[in-house]
Amino acid sequence: NAGVTQTPKFQVLKTGQSMTLQCAQDMNHNSMYWYRQDPGMGLRLIYYSASEGTTDKGEVPNGYNVSRLNKREFSLRLESAAPSQTSVYFCASSEGPWSGGVQETQYFGPGTRLLVL
Amino acid sequence: QKEVEQDPGPLSVPEGAIVSLNCTYSNSAFQYFMWYRQYSRKGPELLMYTYSSGNKEDGRFTAQVDKSSKYISLFIRDSQPSDSATYLCAMRKTSYDKVIFGPGTSLSVIP
Repeated sequence: NAGVTQTPKFQVLKTGQSMTLQCAQDMNHNSMYWYRQDPGMGLRLIYYSASEGTTDKGEVPNGYNVSRLNKREFSLRLESAAPSQTSVYFCASSEGPWSGGVQETQYFGPGTRLLVL
Repeated sequence: QKEVEQDPGPLSVPEGAIVSLNCTYSNSAFQYFMWYRQYSRKGPELLMYTYSSGNKEDGRFTAQVDKSSKYISLFIRDSQPSDSATYLCAMRKTSYDKVIFGPGTSLSVIP
């Protein structure tokens, strides 16, 4: 099992350019998440998808859109990149709280480093 | 005030030392507490998961929760160079709620 995979690993954009970050999981998880990680700020939730067909805003959704393409894939789109979006982006997945498990562990991908000039 | 706070470090200790990592939080509704370990240029991975107050031990790692003080700790015994990483505390109110992460503490264990 590959777990959670993300592409690309690294990207440089100019202000105003658009791009899509891809995420896929092979654990048959229901829930998927996009976080950004900045120094001193910890992980902040951008968007999440509790189950296939649903998406909801997290703590910092402005400037981003998401698509839950199917159960495996959850993409994050920056329509017009800004320097403030320079960050490391992590995708994560979990079984989902409705699975009945108490622990509800989130599994993270390796991250995408994004630099916006 | 941030909802979850951690001393960012860096914390540097000699191999074999006992390490204490701590988080404080402001929301008394948190019930589920986690510690994630993140190696450099990797994604976080779950290390410990505890519910409500008390202690939980797993090998060299002990997680402690004191809800009355809104304080959680992770102890690492006999620390090893392979423990060098950033440790993120995390918590949530219910299993249906979003996870709130602390900013992380960077730990270096020197051989």
